[in-house]
Amino acid sequence: EPEVTQTPSHQVTQMGQEVILRCVPISNHLYFYWYRQILGQKVEFLVSFYNNEISEKSEIFDDQFSVERPDGSNFTLKIRSTKLEDSAMYFCASREQRSTGELFFGEGSRLTVL
Amino acid sequence: KNEVEQSPQNLTAQEGEFITINCSYSVGISALHWLQQHPGGGIVSLFMLSSGKKKHGRLIATINIQEKHSSLHITASHPRDSAVYICAVISGSQGNLIFGKGTKLSVKP
Repeated sequence: EPEVTQTPSHQVTQMGQEVILRCVPISNHLYFYWYRQILGQKVEFLVSFYNNEISEKSEIFDDQFSVERPDGSNFTLKIRSTKLEDSAMYFCASREQRSTGELFFGEGSRLTVL
Repeated sequence: KNEVEQSPQNLTAQEGEFITINCSYSVGISALHWLQQHPGGGIVSLFMLSSGKKKHGRLIATINIQEKHSSLHITASHPRDSAVYICAVISGSQGNLIFGKGTKLSVKP
């Protein structure tokens, strides 16, 4: 069964460092998403991406965040200068169609900022 | 006020019991997802529905668009069903989700 893969599964970094979280969506999917879940809280939308550009982003997705699809397979989330409050589980998801296609999640990347 | 409300927040059941988790939402939606989050954190989509009812094995999901309400039922519950069940709605044009806080289910043998 096709799956969304994320790396790393866990990253520990120092405050102020740059972090890149990587995702490989399912190959025929066109819509990509990043979500965040702070420990003990609900999952929150960060950004959606289609046709090589951001289609929507939340208030959380400030200038410290960026996304990229550098090579047609990987979909990355970059945090330029991490803060303690960026510690969370980050989930990548993809779907084939915008609103009607089944949504597939990766296993998540746990980011710990010290 | 949360746009997606789930109840109960926590649920403990004995193996074999019939379980219902409820979700109410206050926004217009194009579809609703029921998701399962494993203890390790991974998320799996169980159902996506925009009307009526869907069944997969021991799981049944229903939605009433007029009442803005959905339910997830688990028949003959098993300890391996222990997880957090999350209701999430698709609202807006880009297909991204608004999540409920989740219902933590624990099924005791």
